[in-house]
Amino acid sequence: EAGVTQFPSHSVIEKGQTVTLRCDPISGHDNLYWYRRVMGKEIKFLLHFVKESKQDESGMPNNRFLAERTGGTYSTLKVQPAELEDSGVYFCASSRNRVEQFFGPGTRLTVL
Amino acid sequence: EDKVVQSPLSLVVHEGDTVTLNCSYEVTNFRSLLWYKQEKKAPTFLFMLTSSGIEKKSGRLSSILDKKELFSILNITATQTGDSAIYLCAGTPFYNTDKLIFGTGTRLQVFP
Repeated sequence: EAGVTQFPSHSVIEKGQTVTLRCDPISGHDNLYWYRRVMGKEIKFLLHFVKESKQDESGMPNNRFLAERTGGTYSTLKVQPAELEDSGVYFCASSRNRVEQFFGPGTRLTVL
Repeated sequence: EDKVVQSPLSLVVHEGDTVTLNCSYEVTNFRSLLWYKQEKKAPTFLFMLTSSGIEKKSGRLSSILDKKELFSILNITATQTGDSAIYLCAGTPFYNTDKLIFGTGTRLQVFP
């Protein structure tokens, strides 16, 4: 079974630009999660999709962040416009049973 | 605010040593505690604990939860260089078991 994949591995952009991160969950996993780890801090929950619906987006930092999951398969997380404090590692995870979450390798975002 | 605290932040040992990693939590309406191992990129699931005093084991790794004192420990016996990783602890509240609340992790380095 292929794992959760994320693209790109690393993105370097300038402040004010737009970046879109992609996550492909494990096939058949209805639940998809986004997390973020800012340097030196803990991994923090951003939001949770069940299929294409947002179940919980309480962790989204502000309205510069937009997550979508059209068709209930892959998901994208867009940051527009990016700010310096958005730098960090963005993890995606998926789950079939909402007990064990399988994490992807993360996308490292650097905003200069 | 819910939080999870891990200690120590970092640990350096030699192969064959036994280590104990600590995780304390303050999570509203606590439901479960999970341990993950992060070697290079993606955190991988180790254990989920929901009941106090029941040890979970997987090879040289074991973990136990104390819901009265609000902590968990992860033991690794006869450490190997392959155990080198960041070990993450996460709690989940009853009202939202999908939302993992992570600690900052313990970085374990095992030298030959």
